[in-house]
Amino acid sequence: DTGVSQDPRHKITKRGQNVTFRCDPISEHNRLYWYRQTLGQGPEFLTYFQNEAQLEKSRLLSDRFSAERPKGSFSTLEIQRTEQGDSAMYLCASSLRTDQETQYFGPGTRLLVL
Amino acid sequence: EDKVVQSPLSLVVHEGDTVTLNCSYEVTNFRSLLWYKQEKKAPTFLFMLTSSGIEKKSGRLSSILDKKELFSILNITATQTGDSAVYLCAVDRYGGSQGNLIFGKGTKLSVKP
Repeated sequence: DTGVSQDPRHKITKRGQNVTFRCDPISEHNRLYWYRQTLGQGPEFLTYFQNEAQLEKSRLLSDRFSAERPKGSFSTLEIQRTEQGDSAMYLCASSLRTDQETQYFGPGTRLLVL
Repeated sequence: EDKVVQSPLSLVVHEGDTVTLNCSYEVTNFRSLLWYKQEKKAPTFLFMLTSSGIEKKSGRLSSILDKKELFSILNITATQTGDSAVYLCAVDRYGGSQGNLIFGKGTKLSVKP
C-alpha cells in the first residue's frame, strides 16, 4: 500500500497523559499536513510541513501540541497533558507541491481522552 | 473570516435517485475547490476544481464550479447504497495559507435500497 499511513489507528488515554501519533506520507510527497476532525464537523487545519520545515501553524495548535518532521519524511504529532477536549480524529495528509496539488489523506488516529 | 458552507447537512434518498450537493464559499485569494468522500475514515479525493464552468466527471459523479457566484455543486446520478457517505467540500487559497484547506461541515448522504 503506497498511500498515507498513520499509527496508531486508535488511542485511549487518561487525562494528563502525553500521546504521540505518527504519519508516513506518500513517498514522493514533500508536503505533509495535520488536521483534527470532531464529530459532525469537517477537518480543521492544524499545521503543515514542506520537507522538514514547519511552514504554518493554526491557532488551534496550543502550546501543548508539537509536530515534527525531522528528515522530511514521516511526521509526529505530540499532545502533552491531554484534555478531554482533545478527543478527536487526527488526520494526516500529504501532497506533491505543484501548481495543482491535491491532498491525500491517511486513515486517521482516533483519540479518546478519558 | 474565510468560510465554506455546505447544504444540505443531511439527505436521505432511495437508490436510483439523483442528488445535488451544494457548497458555497467566502475566501480571499481563492485557488481551488476540492470535493472529498468520507466513509467512517479518511476523506478520499473526488475532484479538484479551479476554473468556472468546466464540468469534471467521474462515472456517476460530476461537479462544476461557479467562481462568480462562489459556489460549487456535486451531482450524483443513479445513486447506489455504496454512495452513502459524508461529502466534504474544501477550499484552498494562494499565499501564506496555501495548502491550509478550509472544510465545510459536510453533507451526510444516506441512500436507502
